[in-house]
Amino acid sequence: SAVISQKPSRDICQRGTSLTIQCQVDSQVTMMFWYRQQPGQSLTLIATANQGSEATYESGFVIDKFPISRPNLTFSTLTVSNLSPEDSSIYLCSVLAHAYEQYFGPGTRLTVT
Amino acid sequence: DQQVKQNSPSLSVQEGRISILNCDYTNSMFDYFLWYKKYPAEGPTFLISISSIKDKNEDGRFTVFLNKSAKHLSLHIVPSQPGDSAVYFCAALPLNRDDKIIFGKGTRLHILP
Repeated sequence: SAVISQKPSRDICQRGTSLTIQCQVDSQVTMMFWYRQQPGQSLTLIATANQGSEATYESGFVIDKFPISRPNLTFSTLTVSNLSPEDSSIYLCSVLAHAYEQYFGPGTRLTVT
Repeated sequence: DQQVKQNSPSLSVQEGRISILNCDYTNSMFDYFLWYKKYPAEGPTFLISISSIKDKNEDGRFTVFLNKSAKHLSLHIVPSQPGDSAVYFCAALPLNRDDKIIFGKGTRLHILP
């Protein structure tokens, strides 16, 4: 199994600012994923982050709004830029384990005022 | 268009009784299904999975049933315990493992004393 930590666990940010979320895994993993869970919604994949290459973004998500870094096999950051109230959500990082199971971090709850 | 549907946003079950959580899917290319459990302020954790070559998989108190013809799966928890109170996400993975896992919106299960 993989143990995943995220920082911060929650934050309240003003409109127009940015928040960078850190994700640390206790083992080396090739693929890391960033998800968003808005209230009452399913987990929505934002992007897949592979070490040494550009992140792959899902439809509706762009690099300018959600820049991602993946400097090594145990760490990644997701920045949510130019915040608006619609960005209020829980952001989760995840890694792929065996048999297609995914391990998730505890999430970062973002509130934009 | 939701490919994985959990039509019941919430469910209340008496402690000791059976909890049945349902999930429907629309994409016939899905061939692997997973259930995740999520407590507040924590990330989802993998619970149980089933491959499309099976119609049942059991792990302790948890059993997942798959009806491919109806594109329906269900998670049975017997007997239900207070610690089972959580949000349960159904997820599906297509034959092409390069495609992303698709999550339902989740069902909040309340176990009543």
